[in-house]
Amino acid sequence: KQEVTQIPAALSVPEGENLVLNCSFTDSAIYNLQWFRQDPGKGLTSLLLIQSSQREQTSGRLNASLDKSSGRSTLYIAASQPGDSATYLCALEYGNKLVFGAGTILRVKS
Amino acid sequence: DAGVTQSPTHLIKTRGQQVTLRCSPKSGHDTVSWYQQALGQGPQFIFQYYEEEERQRGNFPDRFSGHQFPNYSSELNVNALLLGDSALYLCASSLVSYEQYFGPGTRLTVT
Repeated sequence: KQEVTQIPAALSVPEGENLVLNCSFTDSAIYNLQWFRQDPGKGLTSLLLIQSSQREQTSGRLNASLDKSSGRSTLYIAASQPGDSATYLCALEYGNKLVFGAGTILRVKS
Repeated sequence: DAGVTQSPTHLIKTRGQQVTLRCSPKSGHDTVSWYQQALGQGPQFIFQYYEEEERQRGNFPDRFSGHQFPNYSSELNVNALLLGDSALYLCASSLVSYEQYFGPGTRLTVT
């Protein structure tokens, strides 16, 4: 059974800081890994998709890495802004479904 | 190009009632998945539909059922509602085995 853990559960940082969100999983037999952003009470916005043959993806200030052998992914956010405040979820494509972690609640203070 | 749409946005039901939620996939997508997200938790997979058939099912009771229509839109039905069914219900669409795109969700409150 695939289990996904996200650390930390919550994070509060001052504007401008670089930060790292962590995601770990128990079974390396995954297809893809996606990082999502979720604003309170809203749906999910896809940030980055890393295919199983890739090691990292970049989009603007975001960089995500994937190490299947160690069962880990990290999301790096550079020069954080108050607009980055949201819950960040990692999800593994496992079989035909996405398996999610519980998320990291990020607050960026101005 | 419209993304994934869901209706209704919010819904309040009483225990024991039945509810139907609707989802229209992103243009060109043929696969629809449904997820339940309880407060403070990550989404949990309910089931996936492809070519009008249930392709895979998560660990949810038979009270949860679904349907996919020839135009790829989908419905999620929940019978005999329980208080614990209160959650945000998310629909996601994709081409088979590709990136999933999520709708805004339907907030269901069971009283």
